[in-house]
Amino acid sequence: GENVEQHPSTLSVQEGDSAVIKCTYSDSASNYFPWYKQELGKRPQLIIDIRSNVGEKKDQRIAVTLNKTAKHFSLHITETQPEDSAVYFCAADPLKAAGNKLTFGGGTRVLVKP
Amino acid sequence: ETGVTQSPTHLIKTRGQQVTLRCSSQSGHNTVSWYQQALGQGPQFIFQYYREEENGRGNFPPRFSGLQFPNYSSELNVNALELDDSALYLCASSLGSGGGTEAFFGQGTRLTVV
Repeated sequence: GENVEQHPSTLSVQEGDSAVIKCTYSDSASNYFPWYKQELGKRPQLIIDIRSNVGEKKDQRIAVTLNKTAKHFSLHITETQPEDSAVYFCAADPLKAAGNKLTFGGGTRVLVKP
Repeated sequence: ETGVTQSPTHLIKTRGQQVTLRCSSQSGHNTVSWYQQALGQGPQFIFQYYREEENGRGNFPPRFSGLQFPNYSSELNVNALELDDSALYLCASSLGSGGGTEAFFGQGTRLTVV
């Protein structure tokens, strides 16, 4: 089955700096890679996703890059703000059937210091 | 609000007991996936229901079972509870005839087994 590894497990950045989180996956059949943000005590919320036919996607201050050959993808947050502090999860989905069967990474706790 | 609701929000059970958790999917969504999130870890896929049929299962024993109803709401049942079953249980609904559609998560049910 799929295995997703995520690094680092914690990340502390100064407000205004950039944050980068990296994930690797094992199943070459995976074709959909969402990123979720989970604030303390709240539900995971999708912040950006990318499909395997795209190498990069950007949405305002966040961007995701995908290297299918190397089986890794990364989340980039620029100009970080205190409200970016949360746990971020990457995930992979094989797109084989209905809905989603996501395999998640272990999470990165991001702390943005004002 | 995403429209996915779970009940109850918190639950305390004794080892060996049985528990039923409920999930109402977002309007129009026909797929519900269940995830277990242990403290400090990423969610792990338990199983998925698509149009009332089980459509994939993760690495969980048979004492984890579920249902999906004609209105696409879903239940997760866990028999013979063990201490390690203590976790946040998340359901996610999506509209799927293929994978890679956005998963909308509920707020979760925090289960504590004592």
